[in-house]
Amino acid sequence: DQQVKQNSPSLSVQEGRISILNCDYTNSMFDYFLWYKKYPAEGPTFLISISSIKDKNEDGRFTVFLNKSAKHLSLHIVPSQPGDSAVYFCAAAVNQAGTALIFGKGTTLSVSS
Amino acid sequence: DTAVSQTPKYLVTQMGNDKSIKCEQNLGHDTMYWYKQDSKKFLKIMFSYNNKELIINETVPNRFSPKSPDKAHLNLHINSLELGDSAVYFCASSLNTDAYGYTFGSGTRLTVV
Repeated sequence: DQQVKQNSPSLSVQEGRISILNCDYTNSMFDYFLWYKKYPAEGPTFLISISSIKDKNEDGRFTVFLNKSAKHLSLHIVPSQPGDSAVYFCAAAVNQAGTALIFGKGTTLSVSS
Repeated sequence: DTAVSQTPKYLVTQMGNDKSIKCEQNLGHDTMYWYKQDSKKFLKIMFSYNNKELIINETVPNRFSPKSPDKAHLNLHINSLELGDSAVYFCASSLNTDAYGYTFGSGTRLTVV
């Protein structure tokens, strides 16, 4: 059973526009959420995270929004750049010892110039 | 200097063989993980070790046996390989056992023929 769902397998955006990647989760115990970015033939790299006590976290061009009542989070990239083209994984965890990150299937973002 | 390194990067082998994948981290992290990314692109936790102690063991066939000789190394041995074992296996590490800041290796693509 998928606890973290990324329902859009792919997203295409023009350079300079906003990219919005979405993620839904089912486990109400999750209290920590992360986005990872993955290029081909490389491992996922950490991008940005948010704790359940917040509803927004910003880091440069990247902003993550969390809607706990809807069990939904989104990653906004503004402005999008061709170098942002990659697979983006949403991950969630119950932040306590002995747990592990649960990942979604990923969304492939293509930014065209 | 690579933070989390896995060897080999590619592995092609016949059904029924036994193979090992090695992982080493030089970050001084206490916890290491094995994840499997199957053909459906899910990244699923398999095992986690903290200071050489097994703390997470998901429902993985017992043909898979992790071994942690020290906290900087976590190897994965697979007996009697099956076609369904074909996947990309990622090693990761984190400072402690909670959900922050995983650093991933670049993955080992295992193909069983």
